[in-house]
Amino acid sequence: NFMLTQPHSVSESPGKTVTISCTRSSGSIASTFVQWYKQRPGSSPTTVIYEDHQRPSGVPDRFSGSIDSSSNSASLTISGLKTEDEADYYCQSYDSYNWVFGGGTKLTVL
Amino acid sequence: EVQLVESGGGSVQPGGSLRLSCAASGFTLSRYWMTWVRQAPGKGLEWLANIKQDGSEKYYLDSLKGRFIISRDNAKNSLYLQMNSLRADDTAVYYCVREFAAASWGQGTLVTVSS
Repeated sequence: NFMLTQPHSVSESPGKTVTISCTRSSGSIASTFVQWYKQRPGSSPTTVIYEDHQRPSGVPDRFSGSIDSSSNSASLTISGLKTEDEADYYCQSYDSYNWVFGGGTKLTVL
Repeated sequence: EVQLVESGGGSVQPGGSLRLSCAASGFTLSRYWMTWVRQAPGKGLEWLANIKQDGSEKYYLDSLKGRFIISRDNAKNSLYLQMNSLRADDTAVYYCVREFAAASWGQGTLVTVSS
């Protein structure tokens, strides 16, 4: 079993770039795909990145995902921040068939 | 358009049971693994269980200890979660999720366990 650790919160100004990290506690981050979900208050989550770096149709290319084996972490980068990007973001990966979620990161765009 | 609509939530006393349903439309349910995820008030996401396309494989969060049972009826385009011996800490919004590349989520149904 492993855990995914995210920063509790991040903040940045509109137009800037922010990166949210997701660190895997054991086992290689590259061994199973990482997904990223966005959740606005009162709404259900939506997928913004799947399979480490793939973007679903409709998700702007301001959103990008990557993994870094040296730090055993995944990252979600949002460029050209907009106020509508303010939300909770969760990373997720797999432990065999089970899903493992990070604790979530609250992004504030101020 | 993929649509997942959960139902069956509500208020229940500790020790009670509920059966959640998820009605799928806009895609062929039998082609996809399906998952249940919950979110307690003000908390993060927690994976509960998933089920293979034909129902032959099911996986559960260890801590559920057999209290929850996932099932599906592909002919009815429906996914289910039978929840027994409910406790206060089962209070949450329950989401059904279609697993495939970019996961699709329902809008959720609220379960409140309280005396």
